[in-house]
Amino acid sequence: QVQLVQSGAEVKKPGSSVKVSCKASGGTFSSYAISWVRQAPGQGLEWMGRIIPILGIANYAQKFQGRVTITADKSTSTAYMELSSLRSEDTAVYYCARGPTMIVDWFDPWGQGTLVTVSS
Amino acid sequence: QSALTQPASVSGSPGQSITISCTGTSSDVGGYNYVSWYQQHPGKAPKLMIYDVSNRPSGVSNRFSGSKSGNTASLTISGLQAEDEADYYCSSYTSSSTPAVFGGGTKLTVL
Repeated sequence: QVQLVQSGAEVKKPGSSVKVSCKASGGTFSSYAISWVRQAPGQGLEWMGRIIPILGIANYAQKFQGRVTITADKSTSTAYMELSSLRSEDTAVYYCARGPTMIVDWFDPWGQGTLVTVSS
Repeated sequence: QSALTQPASVSGSPGQSITISCTGTSSDVGGYNYVSWYQQHPGKAPKLMIYDVSNRPSGVSNRFSGSKSGNTASLTISGLQAEDEADYYCSSYTSSSTPAVFGGGTKLTVL
């Protein structure tokens, strides 16, 4: 059964960047897509983008175009999400989640989440 | 991209059934059978409960069921139990430039 384990919490200054990792273990990595979803404090879920590791192709939510980069390293079964030009509104828990490749459909399982705090 | 519309809260007593609605448009919920539902307990990651409108992943109780009519999808929980108290989110594929959209979430309280 695949598990997704994310990197630890981060505190960043406004204007800087953050890179969060998501390592898969116990199952197939490359033949699925990895999406990134964030949740601001007390708020709902927001899809940011995804990558299909076997193809190395990523696509992003329009809201984050130009500010987010999602990559994957097949050799270590790890996906990465880098968000730049951070502002206070980016304070959130960031989750990775596995999904099918053909279409952005379900998300399962999810990583444990990484809290990113943006504060001066 | 507008979020799908869910009621902010629903409640029910143990043993009862409740239904959570998720309303979208013909570009998302109404146009595709790619609706999924997630349960999230406080401080925890979401958990997939229903996918492709009405399919249950292995290990999810058959007290959880999903359906769709037009632009509205629904999650029904029968035989409510205390551990069902959580936030529930729907999600759908969408034909817009951002291919996935979530609902705003519904807080389920078991009285």
